[in-house]
Amino acid sequence: AQSVTQLGSHVSVSEGALVLLRCNYSSSVPPYLFWYVQYPNQGLQLLLKYTSAATLVKGINGFEAEFKKSETSFHLTKPSAHMSDAAEYFCAVSDRRGSYIPTFGRGTSLIVHP
Amino acid sequence: SQTIHQWPATLVQPVGSPLSLECTVEGTSNPNLYWYRQAAGRGLQLLFYSVGIGQISSEVPQNLSASRPQDRQFILSSKKLLLSDSGFYLCAWMPGLGGDEQFFGPGTRLTVL
Repeated sequence: AQSVTQLGSHVSVSEGALVLLRCNYSSSVPPYLFWYVQYPNQGLQLLLKYTSAATLVKGINGFEAEFKKSETSFHLTKPSAHMSDAAEYFCAVSDRRGSYIPTFGRGTSLIVHP
Repeated sequence: SQTIHQWPATLVQPVGSPLSLECTVEGTSNPNLYWYRQAAGRGLQLLFYSVGIGQISSEVPQNLSASRPQDRQFILSSKKLLLSDSGFYLCAWMPGLGGDEQFFGPGTRLTVL
């Protein structure tokens, strides 16, 4: 069984400030982990993914995430927030061993203030 | 390259009316296909998934149904809509062999009045 917990349904930052969106997972086998972004009234778009290679993963739009097995975490960060980063962010976990049904977190809404 | 289409983009339907939402994928073969729903202020709810033509798995019992008449076509239907069916419906696909990430369509905003 697998699960994802995203801490904080809303995160508010000022433009130029550090963005930190938290994701903790549970998986009985080594997981694949994903971060997706969703802009209003649009589908989800992949930001980055971890598939057992480098633990620090760089994605699009300056985002990155670090896989920490000891903490079962995959937090998403960006050094400097931009107004265009305002969106809904979803963390997902997949048990790649025969599974093609990822489990999504409930999402975190990122609000960026000028 | 692969492309996923959904239509219509928006839909307003009265309670009790039928529903048909269509999703098609281009540029790939034998994809896994998915229907999700997002209710206002809530996360993604997996409704159906399919690993092949005519193979449909339902995750949540409800008045919705899904069909896959062709390899790259996935249809979400209802005979009688309920108010609670309102939401944002997303279709997604994943490569059938060796895939790990999902690719999402643009979504359909359904309002049931």
